[in-house]
Amino acid sequence: GENVEQHPSTLSVQEGDSAVIKCTYSDSASNYFPWYKQELGKGPQLIIDIRSNVGEKKDQRIAVTLNKTAKHFSLHITETQPEDSAVYFCAAPKGGFSGGYNKLIFGAGTRLAVHP
Amino acid sequence: GAGVSQSPSNKVTEKGKDVELRCDPISGHTALYWYRQSLGQGLEFLIYFQGNSAPDKSGLPSDRFSAERTGGSVSTLTIQRTQQEDSAVYLCASSLGRVEAFFGQGTRLTVV
Repeated sequence: GENVEQHPSTLSVQEGDSAVIKCTYSDSASNYFPWYKQELGKGPQLIIDIRSNVGEKKDQRIAVTLNKTAKHFSLHITETQPEDSAVYFCAAPKGGFSGGYNKLIFGAGTRLAVHP
Repeated sequence: GAGVSQSPSNKVTEKGKDVELRCDPISGHTALYWYRQSLGQGLEFLIYFQGNSAPDKSGLPSDRFSAERTGGSVSTLTIQRTQQEDSAVYLCASSLGRVEAFFGQGTRLTVV
């Protein structure tokens, strides 16, 4: 089945620096890759996603890149701010997404700390 | 409602008791998912509903766990004879037949 590995498990950066979180997946049928941000005491919030027909997607300070050949995708946060501090999760659907069924397999998470 | 709503937000129960966790998905969302998040861990898939049926129950850890969904809306996750290892945050998510899944805030279950 699908296995999603995420690293690093913790990441500490200075405000204004960039942060990169990487994930690898095992199921070549996976075709959708979301990233979630989870703040303390809250549920995960979808922040950006990418589908397998593109290699990169950007939304202001965040971007996601996808390398289907190598089966890895990464989250890039530029000009980090203290409010970016949270746990970030990557995910991939087991067997790909079709017909509304989206059984996401999550990575173990990365705890990002942005220091002022 | 505006988002996925879960209740209670916190639940403390004695070992051996049964508990029911409730999820109100976003109105109109046909797909509903339950995940479990143990302390400091990632999200573990439990069960998926499409409408009222559950085509994938593969993540339920044991037969003490069950879930149902009625009217294509509210879902209840029931844990019978709770054990300490059941302590976790139980998260519900819903989706409108598209890829994006939206999560509730979760129910923190503590079994003492």
